Amino acid sequence: DIQMTQSPSSLSASVGDRVTITCRASQTISSYLNWYQQKPGKAPNLLIYAASSLQSGVPSRFSGSGSGTDFTLTISSLQPEDFATYYCQQSYITPHSFGQGTKLEIK
Amino acid sequence: EVQLVESGGDLVKPGGSLRLSCAASGFTFSNVWMSWVRQAPGKGLEWVGRIKSKNDGGTTDYAAPVKGRFTISRDDSKNTLYLQMNSLTTEDTAVYYCTTDNYRRLDYWGQGTLVTVSS
Repeated sequence: DIQMTQSPSSLSASVGDRVTITCRASQTISSYLNWYQQKPGKAPNLLIYAASSLQSGVPSRFSGSGSGTDFTLTISSLQPEDFATYYCQQSYITPHSFGQGTKLEIK
Repeated sequence: EVQLVESGGDLVKPGGSLRLSCAASGFTFSNVWMSWVRQAPGKGLEWVGRIKSKNDGGTTDYAAPVKGRFTISRDDSKNTLYLQMNSLTTEDTAVYYCTTDNYRRLDYWGQGTLVTVSS
């Protein structure tokens, strides 16, 4: 099975900051990498699919990059509503494993 | 508007069984692959399994911890997805989400249903 490792596990930042979260796959997954945002008590929400494609309705301050084994999610200018937990997920081969999550907190 | 509504979550004893349902609306259910994802209390997301559309063979795939105990099925005439869970253990305690699986991305999610396995 493919293991997905996110870093950092938690992050403190301020409104307006530029933030980057990293996701690494244990083997190549081409560009089959998705990013989700989850707020407390809510279902996850798809942000980025196929490593760099922005899901409809998601603000353009979110962007994704990478291929192969190394991927990043960038938030260009943090907004108050962006404080949440972020997960990467590979969809290259089943089981479609998730990273352990990155909790983004207000500094 | 796409809607996914899970139901069937409950308190069940270890070794017991439970069937979850997910009622879908707002899209052509029969054409869409569907998945289940779970989240144990205070933990991260865990992919449970997937069922393809009947046009694509209707086959299923499962995560190792549930393989042989859980079964995903679909009734396209009722626009409903199911998760039959047998031989439940405390490790299966979680919120279970159903999702659409469009071109390898989980783009719509239900609100989740809580399954608690405890004696």
